[in-house]
Amino acid sequence: DIQMTQSPSSLSASVGDRITITCRASQSISTSLNWYQQKPGKAPKFLILTASSLQSGVPSRFSGSGSGTDFTLTISSLQPEDFATYYCQQSYSTPLTFGGGTKVEIK
Amino acid sequence: EVQLLESGGGLVQPGGSLRISCAASGFTFSKFAMNWVRQAPGKGLEWVSGISGSGGNTYYADSVKGRFTISRDNSRNTLFLQMNSLRVEDTAVYYCSKMTGSGSPTLYGMDVWGQGTTVTVSS
Repeated sequence: DIQMTQSPSSLSASVGDRITITCRASQSISTSLNWYQQKPGKAPKFLILTASSLQSGVPSRFSGSGSGTDFTLTISSLQPEDFATYYCQQSYSTPLTFGGGTKVEIK
Repeated sequence: EVQLLESGGGLVQPGGSLRISCAASGFTFSKFAMNWVRQAPGKGLEWVSGISGSGGNTYYADSVKGRFTISRDNSRNTLFLQMNSLRVEDTAVYYCSKMTGSGSPTLYGMDVWGQGTTVTVSS
């Protein structure tokens, strides 16, 4: 199985900050990496497909990059509605696996 | 509006069985692969099972293989998860999710999610 490791597990930031979340795969997964946002008590929301393809309706302040084993999710200017937990997920092979999550909190 | 609505969760004793459902609307159900993803209390997301759009191919996490069965009824736009030999560690919110394509769950993302149904396994 492919293990997905996210870092940091949590971070504190202020509105307007630029933040970066890292996701590392245990083996090369090309660009088969998706990102999701989840708010407390809600279902996850799909943000980015295949490492860098922003989904319709997702603000342009979100961006993704990477290939192989190392990936990043960047929020260029953090907004109040962005405080949430973010998950990466590999779609290279089954079983599909998620990272452990990164909780973004208000400083 | 594209929508997924799970139902059937509840309290069950260890070793028991439960079938949960996910009713889909707003899209051509048979054209998309579907998944079940669960989230234990205070924990992260765990993929449980996936099924192709036709229903001809199914996929499982090792943690549920041999105990859970995913299926779909494309005439009723409904996804199912039959859960047998339930364990305390199966306690979670179970989400159904729609994939962005029809075949294997690989290469696609999960673009629509239901609100989840809670399964509690406890004596």
